Amino acid sequence: AQKVTQAQTEISVVEKEDVTLDCVYETRDTTYYLFWYKQPPSGELVFLIRRNSFDEQNEISGRYSWNFQKSTSSFNFTITASQVVDSAVYFCALSTYSGGGADGLTFGKGTHLIIQP
Amino acid sequence: DAGITQSPRHKVTETGTPVTLRCHQTENHRYMYWYRQDPGHGLRLIHYSYGVKDTDKGEVSDGYSVSRSKTEDFLLTLESATSSQTSVYFCAIRPPGVARNEQFFGPGTRLTVL
Repeated sequence: AQKVTQAQTEISVVEKEDVTLDCVYETRDTTYYLFWYKQPPSGELVFLIRRNSFDEQNEISGRYSWNFQKSTSSFNFTITASQVVDSAVYFCALSTYSGGGADGLTFGKGTHLIIQP
Repeated sequence: DAGITQSPRHKVTETGTPVTLRCHQTENHRYMYWYRQDPGHGLRLIHYSYGVKDTDKGEVSDGYSVSRSKTEDFLLTLESATSSQTSVYFCAIRPPGVARNEQFFGPGTRLTVL
C-alpha cells in the first residue's frame, strides 16, 4: 500500500518569509514518481513538479525548490521570499509504475499555506 | 491548458436520484481518471480508464460506475446518489510516455446531494 503524509495542515507566514512544506511517502515499489500540485482559492489543480525515484537531483524553479531524499522518504517543497499569490493548498502525491498500467495518484491531505501581507 | 472540460460544473440533486458527470478531453490521451476531493482527505481515486471500454476501480469506487465509449469522453455515474457522495469531483488525464506519470486536471464539478 502507498501512503503520503503531509503533517502540516496549515501554515501561516508573513510575506517575504521562506517556508517549507513537508511531504513523507511510503511505498514498497522501487520505481515511483512524486509530485506537487497547487490548488489556489479558485479551486483548480495546478501541476508544479514531477520527480522520478531514480533521479535524486534537487530542483529549483525561480522561488520554488524541491528537496528529494530517498533515505528519509521525503520530498519537501520550499518557497523562498513568499508572496501573497502563493497562498493556496499544496498537495504532495505519489504514483508507482506498473509497466504500462494506469497508476492513479495517491495524494496527501494537503497543506493550506497562508501568506499574510 | 490541458484541454479538459467537465460538465456540469455545479449540480444539486436529491438522495436516490441518478447523476452522471462528464469529462471531455481534446488531447486524445489514453489514460483518464476520476477523483473526489473531500475536506481532510485530499483527493482519492474513484475509477480510471486505460482505453476505450477499458476501466478499473480505484480506492473509493463503491456507489460509482464509469463508462468510456470514446477516447475523448469519460463518464462517472452515481446510480443512486447519497449524501456521502457530496463532494468535488475532478477528472484527470495523463500524457503518454514511460518517464512521465503526471496528471492534468479538469476544473472540477461540485456536487451536492440533499
